[in-house]
Amino acid sequence: GQQVMQIPQYQHVQEGEDFTTYCNSSTTLSNIQWYKQRPGGHPVFLIQLVKSGEVKKQKRLTFQFGEAKKNSSLHITATQTTDVGTYFCAGAGTYKYIFGTGTRLKVLA
Amino acid sequence: GAVVSQHPSWVICKSGTSVKIECRSLDFQATTMFWYRQFPKQSLMLMATSNEGSKATYEQGVEKDKFLINHASLTLSTLTVTSAHPEDSSFYICSALTGGGGQPQHFGDGTRLSIL
Repeated sequence: GQQVMQIPQYQHVQEGEDFTTYCNSSTTLSNIQWYKQRPGGHPVFLIQLVKSGEVKKQKRLTFQFGEAKKNSSLHITATQTTDVGTYFCAGAGTYKYIFGTGTRLKVLA
Repeated sequence: GAVVSQHPSWVICKSGTSVKIECRSLDFQATTMFWYRQFPKQSLMLMATSNEGSKATYEQGVEKDKFLINHASLTLSTLTVTSAHPEDSSFYICSALTGGGGQPQHFGDGTRLSIL
């Protein structure tokens, strides 16, 4: 079945450093969503990418969808302690989403 | 907007008990809701897709007789864990779509289920 992998699994960064998580799907995706889950919380929708090669920015966050629509990345510039959490990509199947394995980010002050 | 309420947030019960979890969309109608299970420090595993007025679609490996899903209205879906055992202990979380496919999922706060 469809698999969505993310790397790295964990990332510890010093506050102010950049962070990137990569998402790879075994199949071509119609679109991809990104979510953030704080410790003890529920996933919160960040963004959706639909077009091949699409790049979207939200303040310090940059999201990219690969040309083949099988991979995506999330880059955070100058991390802050509020960025702590697990970032999940979710690849669209037929009326359902398959969540990636997640990248857990820790930011050291 | 797009608030999803999940209840209860925490359940501790004895083995053999059946537990019902509710997922409500408070300010929108949700024709589709999803039920996920999440183990500690792991990803969300889709258990089933719940569609209002029809039978839920279960993912491979999920026992439909064990995890009963009812989506009786456009704002409420329920998951009942029947005859729960310790291996059913987990974090269960629902989400709802405000529209059709390709829309953001709005998640409830989740239910932490502990079976003794």
